[in-house]
Parts: sequence; structure tokens; C-alpha cells
Amino acid sequence: SSELTQDPTVSVALGQTVRITCQGDSLRSFYASWYQQKPGQAPLLVIYGKNNRPSGIPDRFSGSSSGNTASLTITGAQAEDEADYYCNSRDSSVYHWVFGGGTKLTVL
Amino acid sequence: QVQLVQSGAEVKKPGASVKVSCKSSGYSFTSHYMHWVRQAPGQGLEWMGLINPSGGTTTYAQKMQGRVTMTRDMSTSTDYLELSSLRSEDTAVYYCARDNSFTINGVSGWWFDPWGQGTLVTVSS
Repeated sequence: SSELTQDPTVSVALGQTVRITCQGDSLRSFYASWYQQKPGQAPLLVIYGKNNRPSGIPDRFSGSSSGNTASLTITGAQAEDEADYYCNSRDSSVYHWVFGGGTKLTVL
Repeated sequence: QVQLVQSGAEVKKPGASVKVSCKSSGYSFTSHYMHWVRQAPGQGLEWMGLINPSGGTTTYAQKMQGRVTMTRDMSTSTDYLELSSLRSEDTAVYYCARDNSFTINGVSGWWFDPWGQGTLVTVSS
């Protein structure tokens, strides 16, 4: 089965740009989706498909993909963006889904 | 608005079973698959499986095979997750999440939205 690999921790200065990456073979075949999770809350979809934001998600969140890597970029990070971020994709060989291990984003 | 509302927290003894519900509203229940995801304390998200819109087909993560059953009641727009032979490692928050998908230029993508609020299942003797 496929795996998705994320850096465990990333930090960014307030107002700066940060990229969170997700690597996996399945990303060559399928789009990733990205979820933000704050303590004690359910995950929240922030990016899906090529680069689509659900209603209510600020436009500072964007997504991109190249080869086996999907990226979530926050342009002008805000204090409220401090959270755990997870990528997700369908497994490339079986009808299963897999999450990355998550990235804890700290806004300094 | 589209909403998934889950049942309340449960405390179970090792070896017991638990059944968590997820009631959908605000959309056509028969048009979407439903996924179940769990999160152990301090850990990441773990995909458990999904059920098809008619409730006739399920796919479970290999790790869950033999202990998990997903069903749905079309009359009440409610999904159910049952986990048996509980052990301490099953202590987690369990989420339901609606499936969405598309295919553009031959490339497919799926996303989970919305999510239920989560149900804490604690397994303890």
C-alpha cells in the first residue's frame, strides 16, 4: 500500500510564506487533499483537487503538485493558521485512502 | 447546511464492542460514500474504511479487517461504525467524513467534507 510522507514540524514567521509538502507514489496518479486540524477540533478541508479552496477558506491557502509531491502553501501566515496539517490521497494500487503523518505548523 | 452529527462518547471494557452513529442532513444521503477515520490521542489521522451510497458495499483498511463493520440506515440517513474485540489501542476519536470526488483530464481526486464532530471511544478496564 502507498504511504504519504510529511515533515513533522514546520515553522514560519508571522506574515511570511510557508510551504508544507507531502510525498508519495500515489500522488503521481491522484490529487491530494489537505486538512487543517486545531486542538480539540475535527479536521477541516482547506485544499482539494488541483488547487481548489472550499467556501470560507482564505485565499492565502493554495495547493500545487509536481511528480510525487503535493504542496500546501500559506502566503502571509497568520497566527490562526497555527495547527496540524494533513494530506490525504487514494492509494495507487488498492481502493483505500491514506493520510500523511501530519505537519505541526508553528507561527512565530 | 450539510451536517454530520455523531453520537456521544463511549467507555468500553476490553473485548467489548462499540457502535458509533453519524446522522447526515442537508444533502442527498444516497449520492455520497461515507468514510470513517480515527485519531488516537496525540497521534495522526488513520483511515478506517468507507461504505458506498446504497450501503451494499464496504471497503475496510487491512488493519481493521475482521473487527470493523460499517452499515447505513437509508430511512434515517444514518451511518454506523461498529468495532468489536476492543483493546486499549482502539482508544481514539472516531470521525465520519463525507466523500466527494471528481475526475478532470483523466486525473481523479477525492476529498472528505464535511466531517462529523467526532466521537471519543475510551477502552479501559
